[in-house]
Amino acid sequence: NAGVMQNPRHLVRRRGQEARLRCSPMKGHSHVYWYRQLPEEGLKFMVYLQKENIIDESGMPKERFSAEFPKEGPSILRIQQVVRGDSAAYFCASSRSIGQFEETQYFGPGTRLLVL
Amino acid sequence: DAKTTQPPSMDCAEGRAANLPCNHSTISGNEYVYWYRQIHSQGPQYIIHGLKNNETNEMASLIITEDRKSSTLILPHATLRDTAVYYCIEQGAQKLVFGQGTRLTINP
Repeated sequence: NAGVMQNPRHLVRRRGQEARLRCSPMKGHSHVYWYRQLPEEGLKFMVYLQKENIIDESGMPKERFSAEFPKEGPSILRIQQVVRGDSAAYFCASSRSIGQFEETQYFGPGTRLLVL
Repeated sequence: DAKTTQPPSMDCAEGRAANLPCNHSTISGNEYVYWYRQIHSQGPQYIIHGLKNNETNEMASLIITEDRKSSTLILPHATLRDTAVYYCIEQGAQKLVFGQGTRLTINP
């Protein structure tokens, strides 16, 4: 079974450009989570999505960031008008169902975003 | 903020058992204890999880105290490839709250 796939693995953008990060969950998984890891820091939750629904976006910055998980295709994390502080590793995870307490999340390899 | 407490770093000799402790004194009755690790800058890797019974899989063993306030992850025969940051997490909601973890270094 293929694991969680993320692309691109590395993304370089200039300040003011848009960044689009894609995540394909594991087969059979319908829940997607995005986490961000700033340089030399721990992972921080950003958003939790199911197909066509945002369930929890409590970790998303209020501006410039958005996420979607359409009925068909991968989940997209979109960052508009990137700034240098957006440079980080962005990890996607997926899980099988909405089981609240025992629902293992499996992580992708991440996208390293560098803003020049 | 993370609700678990782990030592910031540990060392272990190659071939020996690595025992990583975690305190989770505020864990509620239906929350699981999950362990992940992050090797260098790769994506976190799931290791094992448990509720109240001890668990074992091909990667590790998890020992949970009877009062569930702490647990220990055991890597029975550590190799150099086990050098990583290990995270102990209370799974109480859909989102995972990562602390600083334990940086485990396996020495040859």
